[in-house]
Amino acid sequence: NAGVTQTPKFRVLKTGQSMTLLCAQDMNHEYMYWYRQDPGMGLRLIHYSVGEGTTAKGEVPDGYNVSRLKKQNFLLGLESAAPSQTSVYFCASSYPQGLPQVTEAFFGQGTRLTVV
Amino acid sequence: AQKITQTQPGMFVQEKEAVTLDCTYDTSDPSYGLFWYKQPSSGEMIFLIYQGSYDQQNATEGRYSLNFQKARKSANLVISASQLGDSAMYFCAMREGLYGSARQLTFGSGTQLTVLP
Repeated sequence: NAGVTQTPKFRVLKTGQSMTLLCAQDMNHEYMYWYRQDPGMGLRLIHYSVGEGTTAKGEVPDGYNVSRLKKQNFLLGLESAAPSQTSVYFCASSYPQGLPQVTEAFFGQGTRLTVV
Repeated sequence: AQKITQTQPGMFVQEKEAVTLDCTYDTSDPSYGLFWYKQPSSGEMIFLIYQGSYDQQNATEGRYSLNFQKARKSANLVISASQLGDSAMYFCAMREGLYGSARQLTFGSGTQLTVLP
């Protein structure tokens, strides 16, 4: 059971380049999230999804787009990378809150992105 | 306004002693869940403990317990008998709403705990 898998683990981009981060989960979770982690800032929510085909903005959505075409995948796109987007990106997934199943979010291992 | 506030950027504790990490939250939703995660220096996020807003008793998981004071909107993590391996960043998080109305999972800024030998 792989859990939550992020691809790639590391990436260096030049300013203005685009890229897509892939998050895949095999736990049949409804909810998926993308966070960025910066020193002293904790985890800040970029976008999230409460089901296939639905997405919503989080705290810091500017400069990012997402898609949830399949329940198990949640893609994070950077159309024109900027140095301010240098960060560690985490994907997470969970069951909906209130169901009998455990509701904690399971995290991927993170993607370290550097924009130069 | 901050939904999750962790006021202790760094904490030190002597090995084998207990330590309390503070977390206060802000919500007007009667239905919510509170979570604590540990992030060691290796970077992964490890779930520790969960408390639902309707849970009558404080959650416990091994050496971890959650001191849930609903009226004060606080959900402090207590680690008993600290071990060197407990040195890590600790995050408090909250998700408001229940199934069908749930919203984002929001994290605090974290507390860096260092256990001293």
